Amino acid sequence: NAGVTQTPKFQVLKTGQSMTLQCAQDMNHNSMYWYRQDPGMGLRLIYYSASEGTTDKGEVPNGYNVSRLNKREFSLRLESAAPSQTSVYFCASSTQGEETQYFGPGTRLLVL
Amino acid sequence: GENVGLHLPTLSVQEGDNSIINCAYSNSASDYFIWYKQESGKGPQFIIDIRSNMDKRQGQRVTVLLNKTVKHLSLQIAATQPGDSAVYFCAENRNGGFKTIFGAGTRLFVKA
Repeated sequence: NAGVTQTPKFQVLKTGQSMTLQCAQDMNHNSMYWYRQDPGMGLRLIYYSASEGTTDKGEVPNGYNVSRLNKREFSLRLESAAPSQTSVYFCASSTQGEETQYFGPGTRLLVL
Repeated sequence: GENVGLHLPTLSVQEGDNSIINCAYSNSASDYFIWYKQESGKGPQFIIDIRSNMDKRQGQRVTVLLNKTVKHLSLQIAATQPGDSAVYFCAENRNGGFKTIFGAGTRLFVKA
């Protein structure tokens, strides 16, 4: 039981490049989330998926897209990376909305 | 919110002492509160939660206190150990929604 896994662990992009961050959970959770964490700040919600087949915007969705591929997997795509998107990205999952969220180890993204 | 930019509030305690980490939450309608611990280079990890119909909840070496009158949450760690060194986040949720709001965090240093 690996919990929440994320790939890659670290990525460097040039401005304008695109990439997809992958997330998978093996806890049979309905809900999944993408957050970003900037130095000295709390987590900010980018997008979430309440259940398979649905996605909704969070607090900071601009510049990102998501896909809930199936119940296990939720990906985050940056179509045209910008330096402002340099951050640590965390994926999380929960049984349902308000329940405890379980986090992955994070992806550290540097956009030059 | 608790956006303190690059500088997190810091608490330094002696090993074996009790720690108290405080949090002011933002929404008086929030009814579910969670404390997370984040060690360096890792994702946040659930510690303890409390619902708004309670004032206090105890776990193993941790206690959460909720004061709804002043919108204040605290985490008490008994007999603090070096392994408790981390950043601690409070989080609030309302009506079982999917948009949990995270505070900026407090960094706890434990001196041996």
